[in-house]
Amino acid sequence: DGGITQSPKYLFRKEGQNVTLSCEQNLNHDAMYWYRQDPGQGLRLIYYSQIVNDFQKGDIAEGYSVSREKKESFPLTVTSAQKNPTAFYLCASTDLSGQGGPDTQYFGPGTRLTVL
Amino acid sequence: QQPVQSPQAVILREGEDAVINCSSSKALYSVHWYRQKHGEAPVFLMILLKGGEQKGHEKISASFNEKKQQSSLYLTASQLSYSGTYFCGTTTASSTSYGKLTFGQGTILTVHP
Repeated sequence: DGGITQSPKYLFRKEGQNVTLSCEQNLNHDAMYWYRQDPGQGLRLIYYSQIVNDFQKGDIAEGYSVSREKKESFPLTVTSAQKNPTAFYLCASTDLSGQGGPDTQYFGPGTRLTVL
Repeated sequence: QQPVQSPQAVILREGEDAVINCSSSKALYSVHWYRQKHGEAPVFLMILLKGGEQKGHEKISASFNEKKQQSSLYLTASQLSYSGTYFCGTTTASSTSYGKLTFGQGTILTVHP
C-alpha cells in the first residue's frame, strides 16, 4: 500500500537534546512538507522540499533543520534551539507534476513530541 | 497571513446542516478542505480552484467565490462521523507551484445523536 509513514508515534526528550523525526513516503511524490500543530490551532509550515537536495524554510523554521537526500525521505531534526518544541508534528507530500493545478497533500499519521 | 475560518466551533444534532467559511485577504488560487479527528492526520475532502466552481460528493460540498476570496464548506444531513476539526488550506498564484498551503485555524464540528 502506498502512503506516508512517520516514526515514532510518541517521542519524549529532555530539554537540551536534539531529536530527529522520521518521514518516509512511497507515493513517488516530488514535494514533502513538515507542519507543527499546537492544541486547538491550525497547521504551521516548518520546512518544505520540492526536489532532492533542496529545501526551503516555512513560516516557523527557527530551531528546526531538515535534509532531503532521497526522494522518499524527509527527516526533521528538532534542535535544542527550539524554545517550545512540545507539539504534534505532521509530515505531508504531494505530486507537483500534475497539469491541472495543485494536487492533494497527503499526510502521515504524525509524531507527538513531548519535552520533559 | 493565514485564512480566517468561521465559526470557530459548531454543535449539531444528527441530520442538521452546517456551513463553514474560509476567508482570505489575499487573492487565492485554490482552496483545500480537510477533516481531522483528534490525534490523527488530516484527511483530504476536496480541492477547489479559482473560477467559482462548486464541488461535492454525497452530503459534503463546497464552493469558491473568487470575488470575495472566500470558500464555504456545506455539510448536509450531518452524521456522527462528521465530527472533527475542519481546516481550509489555501494557495496563491505564487505559492501554488510549490504546493505550499497556508491553513486556517480550524473549525470544531461536534455532532450529537
